[in-house]
Amino acid sequence: DIVMTQSPDSLAVSLGERATINCSSRQSVLFSSDNKNYLAWYQQKSGQPPKLLIYWASTRESGVPDRFSGSGSGTNFTLTISSLQAEDVAVYYCQQYYRTPFIFGPGTKVDIK
Amino acid sequence: QVQLVQSGTEVKNPGASVKVSCKTSGYTFTDYYIQWVRQAPGQGLEWMAWINPKRGRTNYAQKFHGRLTLTGDSSISTVYMELSGLRSDDTAVYYCARATPPGDYVPLDYWGQGTLVTVSS
Repeated sequence: DIVMTQSPDSLAVSLGERATINCSSRQSVLFSSDNKNYLAWYQQKSGQPPKLLIYWASTRESGVPDRFSGSGSGTNFTLTISSLQAEDVAVYYCQQYYRTPFIFGPGTKVDIK
Repeated sequence: QVQLVQSGTEVKNPGASVKVSCKTSGYTFTDYYIQWVRQAPGQGLEWMAWINPKRGRTNYAQKFHGRLTLTGDSSISTVYMELSGLRSDDTAVYYCARATPPGDYVPLDYWGQGTLVTVSS
């Protein structure tokens, strides 16, 4: 299995400040045939299902504000919220879909400082 | 608009089975895989399986092999998740989600509202 880790477990950021979440995979999720990283980021607010934010490591889903961005390749990835808004309070998960089981990271809780 | 609507809350005894439905609408049912993800209370997300509704082909996470069955009924655009031999640690919210674009190794863009399954004697 491709185990995923995230850091930090939680973070508190002031409104308007940058939030950075890291995700690592035990094995590379970069598929050489198409040069794509099979890595997604989801946001889950309390009591709601997850919402897709980023896929192929850096492609923003339609309708997602451009303050959310994804970067990285191979085994190390980052989700950045450039200017934290109150509505961004949530738990954020990375997920690899390179190989089944499509394991999620343990999640990072983001709060307002 | 795309919608995935799941069946309601279930309470089951240990050892029983549960069958959760996921009714889809707003797109061509057979074009997109459906995946299932669960979340124990206060815990993270756990991927369970996928089904190709067109051919009925399935892929289960190893930990659920022998206990989990996904089926689809294209006549009513619905996918079913049945989990047998329930244990207390199967207590969770179960989500269905559509994989997009059409294919197996892709992310999940639309999610059902979740179905709480409680296993307790």
